[in-house]
Amino acid sequence: NAGVTQTPKFRVLKTGQSMTLLCAQDMNHEYMYWYRQDPGMGLRLIHYSVGEGTTAKGEVPDGYNVSRLKKQNFLLGLESAAPSQTSVYFCASSYSMNRGETQYFGPGTRLLVL
Amino acid sequence: KQEVTQIPAALSVPEGENLVLNCSFTDSAIYNLQWFRQDPGKGLTSLLLIQSSQREQTSGRLNASLDKSSGRSTLYIAASQPGDSATYLCAVTGGTSYGKLTFGQGTILTVHP
Repeated sequence: NAGVTQTPKFRVLKTGQSMTLLCAQDMNHEYMYWYRQDPGMGLRLIHYSVGEGTTAKGEVPDGYNVSRLKKQNFLLGLESAAPSQTSVYFCASSYSMNRGETQYFGPGTRLLVL
Repeated sequence: KQEVTQIPAALSVPEGENLVLNCSFTDSAIYNLQWFRQDPGKGLTSLLLIQSSQREQTSGRLNASLDKSSGRSTLYIAASQPGDSATYLCAVTGGTSYGKLTFGQGTILTVHP
């Protein structure tokens, strides 16, 4: 099993450009999450999904959109990138939100917005 | 709003030393608490998960404790090794945001030979 994979690994954007980050998991997990990690801020939840076709806002959703058209994929979109969106983005998945379940994380995507 | 704090922010110890990392959280109504390890440029790996009804979990040289009433957890690493050098993150699930992880800022651990 590949676990959770993220594409691309690194990207440089100019302000105003758009892009989509792809997350894929092969563990048949229902729940998927997008986090961003910034120095001194820890990881913060952007959006999450509790199943195919569903999405919900997390702690810092502004400037991002997501889609879960297939159970194994969770896409994070930036319509008009801003320098404040420079960060490391992590995708995670879990079987459920039960108290005994952990989340499995991808390797991250480093995004630099100039 | 749940807040998670980790102390210290950074720790440097010689190889072989036993050490303790601390985590505190403001809302005791949690479902579980997890400790993660993050290597530079990598994703997060779950080390230990303690459910709210449990007091501790052990895995090899790692032992994590949970005192829900006081909002505290500790991660004890025995006989530290250079390979333990990484950032350790504490995260809680539950409280006001059921099912979603709230992370601390992490402790950067360096174990020197």
